Amino acid sequence: EAQVTQNPRYLITVTGKKLTVTCSQNMNHEYMSWYRQDPGLGLRQIYYSMNVEVTDKGDVPEGYKVSRKEKRNFPLILESPSPNQTSLYFCASSLWAPRDRVGPDTQYFGPGTRLTVL
Amino acid sequence: DAKTTQPPSMDCAEGRAANLPCNHSTISGNEYVYWYRQIHSQGPQYIIHGLKNNETNEMASLIITEDRKSSTLILPHATLRDTAVYYCIVRVVGRAAGNKLTFGGGTRVLVKP
Repeated sequence: EAQVTQNPRYLITVTGKKLTVTCSQNMNHEYMSWYRQDPGLGLRQIYYSMNVEVTDKGDVPEGYKVSRKEKRNFPLILESPSPNQTSLYFCASSLWAPRDRVGPDTQYFGPGTRLTVL
Repeated sequence: DAKTTQPPSMDCAEGRAANLPCNHSTISGNEYVYWYRQIHSQGPQYIIHGLKNNETNEMASLIITEDRKSSTLILPHATLRDTAVYYCIVRVVGRAAGNKLTFGGGTRVLVKP
């Protein structure tokens, strides 16, 4: 079954304790992305990756790190979590449109990780 | 990406068709219309997309007006499991545009028995 998985699904931690949220997809997608969702603010992109070893900042990258050492995995790292990073996090993946063709793409989202930083 | 306007909420009777409108009056020629939905804090789920022509898949139909300034998502036989927030998104696709999705407020659809 084609899917995006995230772990853990729920996490309660304390300020300053480093954590990693894993994301994995089995669809051989080039593009992967992390979003956070907060009430009243919608979905905001944190980081994205266009392929292995290629990552770039989204709209709200401060306080986060990512890596893309393998095509299927895109972990989100919080080196020193703070309470303002309490949020619902989603990982997504999609194919990357070929250079010479403009066409539709579809993003597949993981089930979400609800993070609480005390 | 062009901005979209959707009603904040709507109710629908189970088994009936649900018609969800979306206005995108500033859409440009190379922008697609996408619909996603999010069922209570689950990951957003892709529904359908289109450029100019009407589209249909196993989940829904998408009707785009001839001037492309608005569209309607049709759920032909709504079930209780279709209760969700539905997002209409207009965006350019392709390598140069990036794949970021920007979700607005959406329409909260409640399907009632």
